[in-house]
Amino acid sequence: AQSVTQLDSQVPVFEEAPVELRCNYSSSVSVYLFWYVQYPNQGLQLLLKYLSGSTLVKGINGFEAEFNKSQTSFHLRKPSVHISDTAEYFCAVSEANAGNMLTFGGGTRLMVKP
Amino acid sequence: NAGVMQNPRHLVRRRGQEARLRCSPMKGHSHVYWYRQLPEEGLKFMVYLQKENIIDESGMPKERFSAEFPKEGPSILRIQQVVRGDSAAYFCASSPGGVVYEQYFGPGTRLTVT
Repeated sequence: AQSVTQLDSQVPVFEEAPVELRCNYSSSVSVYLFWYVQYPNQGLQLLLKYLSGSTLVKGINGFEAEFNKSQTSFHLRKPSVHISDTAEYFCAVSEANAGNMLTFGGGTRLMVKP
Repeated sequence: NAGVMQNPRHLVRRRGQEARLRCSPMKGHSHVYWYRQLPEEGLKFMVYLQKENIIDESGMPKERFSAEFPKEGPSILRIQQVVRGDSAAYFCASSPGGVVYEQYFGPGTRLTVT
């Protein structure tokens, strides 16, 4: 069975600084990878996804992520954050041919300070 | 095109009562997933349904919890005889039948058991 680890539970960063949110997964089969954002008291919004092809994936709000198969990682990055990026970010994995069930990491709280 | 709708958004139940959570998928989506988010944790898969069928309920507690997705109407997650440990946010997601791997989430129902 797959598992997802988000190494940092909280990441404080100043506005306009770059940020990287780390995500590692374990699985014995091919996977599909996702990053979701959750604003306070709201549902999850898809930021970006990797299904196949180019390992560098660009998403909404200036975020991007890179799939590294050898390191089983899918880290999320943004070159310059805004106050409005303050939210909880979840990495998720779905195994190929496993019925589309998503396994989520524990989440990383990004706190952007002025 | 309306998104995934969940109601109620907030639900308060006393221990021993029943809780019914409703989810209307996006128009044209025939696949529904339920996830539970405990405080300060990531989302955990509960059950995956298609119209009139439970496809995967490996994440559902063995007792007191049930789910359905009838031919007509919303999907229902039912919790009988609620206990304090059931307090959580319950999220529903949907996806179209022909395109898997991208799930669209509703705003969630926050259940509080007093």
